[in-house]
Amino acid sequence: ETGVTQTPRHLVMGMTNKKSLKCEQHLGHNAMYWYKQSAKKPLELMFVYSLEERVENNSVPSRFSPECPNSSHLFLHLHTLQPEDSALYLCASSQDRGATLYEQYFGPGTRLTVT
Amino acid sequence: AQKITQTQPGMFVQEKEAVTLDCTYDTSDPSYGLFWYKQPSSGEMIFLIYQGSYDQQNATEGRYSLNFQKARKSANLVISASQLGDSAMYFCAGLGGSYIPTFGRGTSLIVHP
Repeated sequence: ETGVTQTPRHLVMGMTNKKSLKCEQHLGHNAMYWYKQSAKKPLELMFVYSLEERVENNSVPSRFSPECPNSSHLFLHLHTLQPEDSALYLCASSQDRGATLYEQYFGPGTRLTVT
Repeated sequence: AQKITQTQPGMFVQEKEAVTLDCTYDTSDPSYGLFWYKQPSSGEMIFLIYQGSYDQQNATEGRYSLNFQKARKSANLVISASQLGDSAMYFCAGLGGSYIPTFGRGTSLIVHP
């Protein structure tokens, strides 16, 4: 596979469930990003990882827990979510942390529904 | 802090005609970039065009052009010769020195045959 892939593409979970979103990039990039796109708010950056180190947490609640075990994989662990967390979660990667926005490659997203 | 405003929730255009999607920005950064993305129903964000605040000329990429008016703080996207495949959500985004981009709420474009 090439580019940025995300699994699952769709996820429905209850508020007491624990689930994880997975992102994988096949581009040899060193930086990875999580974005949230909800119906009520514009697309917003959640986390940035550079060389497996978290360099940005954009005021995200602790019920979202990112993990970057290596430069190719990024996870978003979810627990005790709220219905307002229902959104499209997009992953992106770039060559390095300093890349500008158009140098980020986006995945297709995971559509999350919290019931 | 930056703010990106897209005032058109939805736009309709006839195939082969041109369409302009509006974007205004507000920023305190002396240097910034403005971006347009296309998001089809499949979900991925596709980069279309970029304009830097110090660029003297308006950016163009194929059928896409950016009408950048610094005094009006606007960065409108012009799509010429619309195609059915242009039907999608379009997002304007800004990026200053903080490395945290700001996106607008998007405009849904529907191209009619």
